[in-house]
Amino acid sequence: NAGVTQTPKFRVLKTGQSMTLLCAQDMNHEYMYWYRQDPGMGLRLIHYSVGEGTTAKGEVPDGYNVSRLKKQNFLLGLESAAPSQTSVYFCASSYFPGGADNQPQHFGDGTRLSIL
Amino acid sequence: ILNVEQSPQSLHVQEGDSTNFTCSFPSSNFYALHWYRWETAKSPEALFVMTLNGDEKKKGRISATLNTKEGYSYLYIKGSQPEDSATYLCAFGGGSSNTGKLIFGQGTTLQVKP
Repeated sequence: NAGVTQTPKFRVLKTGQSMTLLCAQDMNHEYMYWYRQDPGMGLRLIHYSVGEGTTAKGEVPDGYNVSRLKKQNFLLGLESAAPSQTSVYFCASSYFPGGADNQPQHFGDGTRLSIL
Repeated sequence: ILNVEQSPQSLHVQEGDSTNFTCSFPSSNFYALHWYRWETAKSPEALFVMTLNGDEKKKGRISATLNTKEGYSYLYIKGSQPEDSATYLCAFGGGSSNTGKLIFGQGTTLQVKP
């Protein structure tokens, strides 16, 4: 049981290049999230999805796009990478969180992205 | 802008000491308060999800309490061990609808010296 798997684990890009980060979960979770983690700051939500085919903006969505074509996968795209997007990116997933049975989020191991 | 504050930012204790951290969050439109444990070079792991005012949760030597009316939660570690060294994150779930979105605090980093 792999849980949440992020690909790649490390990447170095040049300014202006594009790339896609892949998040895959095998727990049949409805909800998926992309966060970035920067020194001195908490995890900040970039985009999230409440189900297959749906996406929504989080706290810091500018410069990123996402897609959820399959329930188990959530892709994060950088169309034109900028040095300000140097960060560690975490994907997470959870069951439908509603009501008193609020479910925890399960995190991947992170992708360390450097943009020169 | 919703804000989640954790204190202290870091803590150094001796093995065997008991310790506690604070998480402050908005007291309105509350859905849930999460606690995660984050070890270096690993991913955050859930400790507790708390949803009701007055909730108390316990897992081994770690426990947490919740006060939604005043907007705070405490995490307690009894008899700290070196393996408890980690960053402890709290996250607030709230808003006009429950979308599962969480707002994370910056974390409290605990170092336990043998």
